[in-house]
Amino acid sequence: GIQVEQSPPDLILQEGANSTLRCNFSDSVNNLQWFHQNPWGQLINLFYIPSGTKQNGRLSATTVATERYSLLYISSSQTTDSGVYFCAVAKETSGSRLTFGEGTQLTVNP
Amino acid sequence: DTGVSQNPRHKITKRGQNVTFRCDPISEHNRLYWYRQTLGQGPEFLTYFQNEAQLEKSRLLSDRFSAERPKGSFSTLEIQRTEQGDSAMYLCASSYPGGQPQHFGDGTRLSIL
Repeated sequence: GIQVEQSPPDLILQEGANSTLRCNFSDSVNNLQWFHQNPWGQLINLFYIPSGTKQNGRLSATTVATERYSLLYISSSQTTDSGVYFCAVAKETSGSRLTFGEGTQLTVNP
Repeated sequence: DTGVSQNPRHKITKRGQNVTFRCDPISEHNRLYWYRQTLGQGPEFLTYFQNEAQLEKSRLLSDRFSAERPKGSFSTLEIQRTEQGDSAMYLCASSYPGGQPQHFGDGTRLSIL
């Protein structure tokens, strides 16, 4: 199956700092999603981005499908950004079931 | 769009009991997925349906687990003779087919005493 690696595993920031999270995957995919899991366990959709670049407020993401990686950028971080960020990928030939990385645990301190 | 709904949110039960969870997907979505997430890990795929047909089951889904989607709408996941290792968050997601984004419910957190 597809392998998904996320880095860094842990990240501690001061409020206002910027950060970049990386996701590497081992095969071509037709779905890539970034999620934020809050302390209550809810998985919040951030981006659906199998290729290209998207922006939503302070967050943006870029996927370079030919090189099999994706980046999530968080600018001017806030304490509410804390939580675990997951990258997940899928191939339609596998029923589009998502394979998740291990996540990046982000802590933003005031 | 009311989102994906899962019930119950929390379930505490004794080892050996049977439990059943329910997932109501987004109404227009014909794909429905179940995932399981243990502490400190990313969610792992269990099974998925397209309409009422169960098309794939993970090796994680032992004989004690069964899932149904009888009318192609809501789905149930049943665990028989629960074990300590079944303690986890059970997540449901739905989507259109063809690599479209999956939308997740809030999950059911199962604790086995």
